[in-house]
Amino acid sequence: GDSVTQMEGPVTLSEEAFLTINCTYTATGYPSLFWYVQYPGEGLQLLLKATKADDKGSNKGFEATYRKETTSFHLEKGSVQVSDSAVYFCALTILHNQGGKLIFGQGTELSVKP
Amino acid sequence: DGGITQSPKYLFRKEGQNVTLSCEQNLNHDAMYWYRQDPGQGLRLIYYSQIVNDFQKGDIAEGYSVSREKKESFPLTVTSAQKNPTAFYLCASSIGEGGSETQYFGPGTRLLVL
Repeated sequence: GDSVTQMEGPVTLSEEAFLTINCTYTATGYPSLFWYVQYPGEGLQLLLKATKADDKGSNKGFEATYRKETTSFHLEKGSVQVSDSAVYFCALTILHNQGGKLIFGQGTELSVKP
Repeated sequence: DGGITQSPKYLFRKEGQNVTLSCEQNLNHDAMYWYRQDPGQGLRLIYYSQIVNDFQKGDIAEGYSVSREKKESFPLTVTSAQKNPTAFYLCASSIGEGGSETQYFGPGTRLLVL
């Protein structure tokens, strides 16, 4: 079945370090791919998305490229800040699959130290 | 401001009791969703609705019920049949049915069992 696999956390970085969070997926159709961020005690916020192969999503210095050949959607940021500390979820949807439900990875916790 | 509201923020359930979680959106979205989040895991779909007076079961619907009498409202009832209800519940909405449509999330309700 369709699934998303993320690198395990927690990931601990110093401020201004480079961030990569790996995400790979398995899908029977043509998925759209998303990264959501969750701050402690809150709901999820959309960080970025890509809807077709080779698309690059970007927002707030974060980027991810939809790689169909490697079935990946890795999240990157060149210089993290303490305020980026949160849990990051990679997710996909497939048109007509249960109303377009989101299939999530397990989440990767990021902690950025000053 | 448009958005999704969930209430209450915290909810306590006694043995054998049904409890209802509220979800309201003023985004004029057709589709609404309920997800359950357990610690260290991604979110799983409970129910979804693509249009008023219609809803469908998700992956973990047992022990839950919903209604969709108004476009802006999608309440979730956790019944006494749900044996492990302690979790963080998130409501989401999107303009239309799945595919590339972004789902927007509410702040969540944390349900605890007394």
